[in-house]
Amino acid sequence: ETGVTQSPTHLIKTRGQQVTLRCSSQSGHNTVSWYQQALGQGPQFIFQYYREEENGRGNFPPRFSGLQFPNYSSELNVNALELDDSALYLCASSQGRGNEKLFFGSGTQLSVL
Amino acid sequence: AQSVTQLDSQVPVFEEAPVELRCNYSSSVSVYLFWYVQYPNQGLQLLLKYLSGSTLVKGINGFEAEFNKSQTSFHLRKPSVHISDTAEYFCAVSDRGNTGFQKLVFGTGTRLLVSP
Repeated sequence: ETGVTQSPTHLIKTRGQQVTLRCSSQSGHNTVSWYQQALGQGPQFIFQYYREEENGRGNFPPRFSGLQFPNYSSELNVNALELDDSALYLCASSQGRGNEKLFFGSGTQLSVL
Repeated sequence: AQSVTQLDSQVPVFEEAPVELRCNYSSSVSVYLFWYVQYPNQGLQLLLKYLSGSTLVKGINGFEAEFNKSQTSFHLRKPSVHISDTAEYFCAVSDRGNTGFQKLVFGTGTRLLVSP
């Protein structure tokens, strides 16, 4: 079975730009969760998508948005980038909405200059 | 709201020595508990998890953790560490709610530094 893959691995943007990060979930998984990990911090929950609908959201502003496609892959979009958005963005997939069997990708490192 | 406290930001230890990484959590409901490891420039890998049953949980790479409900702790231990165990370790909690939505709440991490 294939694992969780994220693209791109690294990205550099300037303040005010928009960015799209992509995640392919593990085969057979219907749920994708996104986390932001700032330097020296633990990951923070952004939102979760279950069967193409947003299933829960963390304390992030509306300029963080997402999509889940019929094949259960997902995108994270961030508008009006700010310097503090610089972080490692992690995608995790699971079968169902629980966290008992969550598989993480290697992340996308976003730098905002 | 749930929270996780990892009491040590960095733990230096010599190879083949035992190690304990401490984790305390706060929650008003029953929880699941997890330990993840993150190697440089990589994502998170699950070491072990407590869902129910025995409070002593064994994971991969020789790690184990003990759930202590009265002390709200879930400390991670390994009797003999290797150089390759050098990494960042994250404790995380998730509630057991039946709402269909459960997020993971992570601690700030403990960097384990194993030296020869």
